[in-house]
Amino acid sequence: DAEITQSPRHKITETGRQVTLACHQTWNHNNMFWYRQDLGHGLRLIHYSYGVHDTNKGEVSDGYSVSRSNTEDLPLTLESAASSQTSVYFCASSDSLDQPQHFGDGTRLSIL
Amino acid sequence: AQKVTQAQTEISVVEKEDVTLDCVYETRDTTYYLFWYKQPPSGELVFLIRRNSFDEQNEISGRYSWNFQKSTSSFNFTITASQVVDSAVYFCALSEVTNAGKSTFGDGTTLTVKP
Repeated sequence: DAEITQSPRHKITETGRQVTLACHQTWNHNNMFWYRQDLGHGLRLIHYSYGVHDTNKGEVSDGYSVSRSNTEDLPLTLESAASSQTSVYFCASSDSLDQPQHFGDGTRLSIL
Repeated sequence: AQKVTQAQTEISVVEKEDVTLDCVYETRDTTYYLFWYKQPPSGELVFLIRRNSFDEQNEISGRYSWNFQKSTSSFNFTITASQVVDSAVYFCALSEVTNAGKSTFGDGTTLTVKP
C-alpha cells in the first residue's frame, strides 16, 4: 500500500542547531506540503512543492527551507532552530487540488 | 478575515447525543473544494469527506452527515448518536483554484464524547 512516512517521530534539539525532518511518500504524488500544528492555530502551511525542483513559501516559511530533488521526498530544514519552532510538523501529499491530502504521522520537535 | 472559520473551539457531549460541527468559509472562486479531516488522540490526520462547489447534495455515511450550503458558505458536519471513539479534533479545509491547490485549514474543533 502507498504511504507517506515522516522521520524522526520525535526529536529534541538545542537552539541554533540545524535540523532536518524527512518526508517520503510512495503515492507518486506531485504535490507535497509541510505544515506545523500549534495549539489554537490549526495547521499552518510552511512550504510546498508541485513537482521536482519546484518549491514555494507558505504562510509561515521564515526560518525553514525545503528542497525537492525527486518525486518521493521533501525534507524540511530548520536552518538555525529557535524555541518558537517547537511544534508538531506534518507532511502531506496530494494528487491534485481537488483531492484530499494524505498526511504522515507527524514529527514532534522540541527545541530547548 | 479567516478563510475557514470553525467557531466552536471545543464541544463536549455525552455519548449518544447528536452533535454538529460548524464550518464557514470565504472564497471568491466559483470552483473550490471543501474537506473534513479527523485527528484522533493518536495524532494522525484522517480524511473524511470531500465536496466540490458544484455539488450541494448532502451526504450521509453511517452516523456521519454533511450539510453543504453555498448560500451561507457553510459546510457543517453532524455526528448522530455520538460515541467515545468520535472524540477527536476535526478540521475543515478549503482548496481554491486561485490558491493553486493549497488547502486552507480552520483552527479545528475539539470534540469530547463522554461515556
